[in-house]
Amino acid sequence: DGGITQSPKYLFRKEGQNVTLSCEQNLNHDAMYWYRQDPGQGLRLIYYSQIVNDFQKGDIAEGYSVSREKKESFPLTVTSAQKNPTAFYLCASSIDTGPRETQYFGPGTRLLVL
Amino acid sequence: DQQVKQNSPSLSVQEGRISILNCDYTNSMFDYFLWYKKYPAEGPTFLISISSIKDKNEDGRFTVFLNKSAKHLSLHIVPSQPGDSAVYFCAASDGDMRFGAGTRLTVKP
Repeated sequence: DGGITQSPKYLFRKEGQNVTLSCEQNLNHDAMYWYRQDPGQGLRLIYYSQIVNDFQKGDIAEGYSVSREKKESFPLTVTSAQKNPTAFYLCASSIDTGPRETQYFGPGTRLLVL
Repeated sequence: DQQVKQNSPSLSVQEGRISILNCDYTNSMFDYFLWYKKYPAEGPTFLISISSIKDKNEDGRFTVFLNKSAKHLSLHIVPSQPGDSAVYFCAASDGDMRFGAGTRLTVKP
């Protein structure tokens, strides 16, 4: 089955710790995205990647980093610089980044700070 | 600055009746609009879309209406079923996609 997988489902972070959220897709999509969802707010774009070895900052990139070494994978690192990391993180992909491309989402990772 | 707004955080309807979810946007450059459905602890799944050249798109029980002059989008579900209970996000794109905060729909048996 084609789709997007995210792991882990729940992740706990200690103060000062970097954590990495995994996102893998086997849809052969060029574009991948990371969003953050907070209660009462829409999805906010953290980073996106149009193609391997290329990525751009979204609206709330501070405190996050990404890499895109493979087409299938787009991991997100939440660094210690992100002061309020507790949120639900969603990864998505689309065929490309055209204005009419539908994005397909993974199941999400909930990050909690200890 | 929220460019896409869903002003009703929740909506409750009886099974079999119509559900109407509303969405307003501010950016007149948006030309593609989508609705996503999200169950708890899952990612959103694509439901239906409409481009700015249309004012209506229908897919089974789901119809999306677009009023460009009012910058307003709505999703109609007829008839509503308990399995439709979920959070519904509207999204709009001008190349960059923006999401509303979501409306939680509860369909009561």
